[in-house]
Formats: sequence, structure tokens, C-alpha cells
Amino acid sequence: GNSVTQMEGPVTLSEEAFLTINCTYTATGYPSLFWYVQYPGEGLQLLLKATKADDKGSNKGFEATYRKETTSFHLEKGSVQVSDSAVYFCALTTFGDMRFGAGTRLTVKP
Amino acid sequence: DAGVIQSPRHEVTEMGQEVTLRCKPISGHNSLFWYRQTMMRGLELLIYFNNNVPIDDSGMPEDRFSAKMPNASFSTLKIQPSEPRDSAVYFCASTTTGQGNYGYTFGSGTRLTVV
Repeated sequence: GNSVTQMEGPVTLSEEAFLTINCTYTATGYPSLFWYVQYPGEGLQLLLKATKADDKGSNKGFEATYRKETTSFHLEKGSVQVSDSAVYFCALTTFGDMRFGAGTRLTVKP
Repeated sequence: DAGVIQSPRHEVTEMGQEVTLRCKPISGHNSLFWYRQTMMRGLELLIYFNNNVPIDDSGMPEDRFSAKMPNASFSTLKIQPSEPRDSAVYFCASTTTGQGNYGYTFGSGTRLTVV
């Protein structure tokens, strides 16, 4: 079945540091891939997406590239801010429900 | 658009009581999903509906859990009787069938505490 594996957290960085959160997937067919962000006390918000191989999703300085050959969709940001502190979820969907990774908690310190 | 609306935001109930969680999806969306989030298990899909019809309820943990979608603008998740291990945050999400690659829109969740 479909599944997503994320790097375990928590991740703690200083402001302006480079961020990478690894995500790999297993899927039948051709999944669409997503990153969601969850701030404290809130629901998940779509951060970015990619629907086919080699697509790059980007939003708010975050980027992720759909790599079919390595079945990966790693999240990156060149310079994190304190306001980026949240839990990040990698997810995939084919034709049915969406499957989420376990989430990675990011804390950015001033 | 007001987004996906869930109520109540918080619910505290005693073990054995019936609990009903409510969700209003985004107008025009025809797929609706109920998720449960806990520290131990992360996000678990409980059930999803397509055009008001339950498609997959294999994630519903026990017969104590039931969900309905009587029309396109309303769904409920009911737990009867509730138990302390049901304490979690329950999220509702919606999207448009066939356009799931646009992602889901989540509500703000209902934090359930069963004492």
C-alpha cells in the first residue's frame, strides 16, 4: 500500500539556518506529493505540492522536488525564521485517501 | 469562503457519554475525510465519503464509532460510548473528487478529552 516516511524530529535550528526535512514514499501508480504545515492549535495547511516527476513545488521560500528515481520529496528552505516553527507533514495521494507521514517538529531559535 | 468548519473546538466529556463532532465542508467539495491525531499514532484516517457515500471506513477503530453525511454540506462523527483512549484531536478535511492532487482543506479540529 501507499506510505510515507519522514525523518524523525524534533529539529532545532537557529534563525537563518538552512532547513532540510527528508521524505520518502512508497506508492502504487503515480502519486501526487504534498507538504503540509501545522501550527499549534490549528489544522493542517497545504504548504506546497507536486503532481508529477521532476515537478518542483514552492511556497513561502520552501521548496520540494518530486524525485521518482529516489522516491523522495525532501523539503528545503534556505533561511528559516522563528515564525517557521511548526510541525511539517509529508503526504501522498493516488486516487483515494491521502496518507501522511508522522510529522517533523521544527523549532527555530532567534 | 469560510473554509472547513468544525464544531465544537473543544469537548470534555465523561467516560460512557455519547459525543458528536460536526463538520461543514467547503461548498462544492464532494469528498470529505475524518482524521484522528494523537501523539502516539499521528494522523489516522478514520473514514471518507465521496458524494455523501462512505467509501472506506476501515480506519474506524471500533463499532463505538460511526459517521454520517446526510447531505453535501454536513457530516457527523459519533462516539458512543466514549472512552478515555478516544481522547485526541479530530480533524475533518474536504476536497473535490478527481482533483485530490489539489490537496485537502482541513478544519481547525475538535480537541476531545474523555475523563
